[in-house]
Amino acid sequence: NAGVTQTPKFRILKIGQSMTLQCAQDMNHNYMYWYRQDPGMGLKLIYYSVGAGITDKGEVPNGYNVSRSTTEDFPLRLELAAPSQTSVYFCASSRGHTNEQFFGPGTRLTVL
Amino acid sequence: GIQVEQSPPDLILQEGANSTLRCNFSDSVNNLQWFHQNPWGQLINLFYIPSGTKQNGRLSATTVATERYSLLYISSSQTTDSGVYFCAAAYSGAGSYQLTFGKGTKLSVIP
Repeated sequence: NAGVTQTPKFRILKIGQSMTLQCAQDMNHNYMYWYRQDPGMGLKLIYYSVGAGITDKGEVPNGYNVSRSTTEDFPLRLELAAPSQTSVYFCASSRGHTNEQFFGPGTRLTVL
Repeated sequence: GIQVEQSPPDLILQEGANSTLRCNFSDSVNNLQWFHQNPWGQLINLFYIPSGTKQNGRLSATTVATERYSLLYISSSQTTDSGVYFCAAAYSGAGSYQLTFGKGTKLSVIP
């Protein structure tokens, strides 16, 4: 099993550009999550999904969108990138909300 | 929402020493996890421990849910234990889900 995979590993965007961060898991987990981690801080939840076709906002959803068309994939879309979105983004999955979460390797995004 | 506080924020240990990291949370939770983020940024789940005690090699964790705290014990520390340790507390129920990470404890183990 590859676990949770994320692409790309690094990306530099200009202000106003858009991009999609990809996340996939092969553990047949229903629950998937997107987090951001700012320097010296813990993770903050952006969006989560409890299954295909179902998504909900976390603590910091503004400026992001998600979709979940399959169990395996949970892409995160940034529209009109802003410097405040410079961060490291982690995707995670779990069998349920009250189960341990498994994390991808992260995507380091810089918006200039 | 749930508030999570971790202490100490920084810890320097001599290799072979033991340590205890603490995580306090403000509300009832049904999910408490400990993670290790290594110096390369990778996050590894250490324990899923909403209550009770678990052990895995040199690491163990105890959560006392009624008193709203969890402890992570590291014994005979090694340089590979260096990194940041996060606890994360979550509550899910009645269609809502809250998850909060603490700011972490940065551990440096020196030879």
